[in-house]
Amino acid sequence: GIQVEQSPPDLILQEGANSTLRCNFSDSVNNLQWFHQNPWGQLINLFYIPSGTKQNGRLSATTVATERYSLLYISSSQTTDSGVYFCAPNPGANNLFFGTGTRLTVIP
Amino acid sequence: NAGVMQNPRHLVRRRGQEARLRCSPMKGHSHVYWYRQLPEEGLKFMVYLQKENIIDESGMPKERFSAEFPKEGPSILRIQQVVRGDSAAYFCASSPGTGGPEQYFGPGTRLTVT
Repeated sequence: GIQVEQSPPDLILQEGANSTLRCNFSDSVNNLQWFHQNPWGQLINLFYIPSGTKQNGRLSATTVATERYSLLYISSSQTTDSGVYFCAPNPGANNLFFGTGTRLTVIP
Repeated sequence: NAGVMQNPRHLVRRRGQEARLRCSPMKGHSHVYWYRQLPEEGLKFMVYLQKENIIDESGMPKERFSAEFPKEGPSILRIQQVVRGDSAAYFCASSPGTGGPEQYFGPGTRLTVT
């Protein structure tokens, strides 16, 4: 199956800082989703982004499918942004392939 | 519009017992996916179902695990004779169709085997 690498694996930010999370994948994809898993374990859909750029409040995402990577930008981070961020591309299979995630800790 | 619902949210079973996990997809969604998340890992696909059909079970362990999505009622993931290694969070997702549409996840069932 497709290989998914996320970086960095861990990230500690001061509240108010900006960050960029990266997702590299080994094969062409039909679509790609970004999720936030909060400290209670719930998975929250952030973006459905097969290509191009989308923005939602302080978050934005860009997928460059031809170069097989996606980026998630978090601006003006807040403590509620803490958790694990997963990238999950779909290469045209029936399922998403999840990376190992980036664990973000935002400190006040 | 209610999201994907899963129950129970927490389930404790002794080794050798059976675990039954239920998932009701979002309204209007007819495609259900089950994923498993072991501690400190990402989610791994297990099985994909449509009403009354298993479409892809390539991620399902060959023994003790089964899934169904009957014409009426929720999808069920069944684990027979549970072992400690089955302890994990089990997530269900649903989508409105096939071909790679957006998947929406439920809150998960956390299974602990003692």
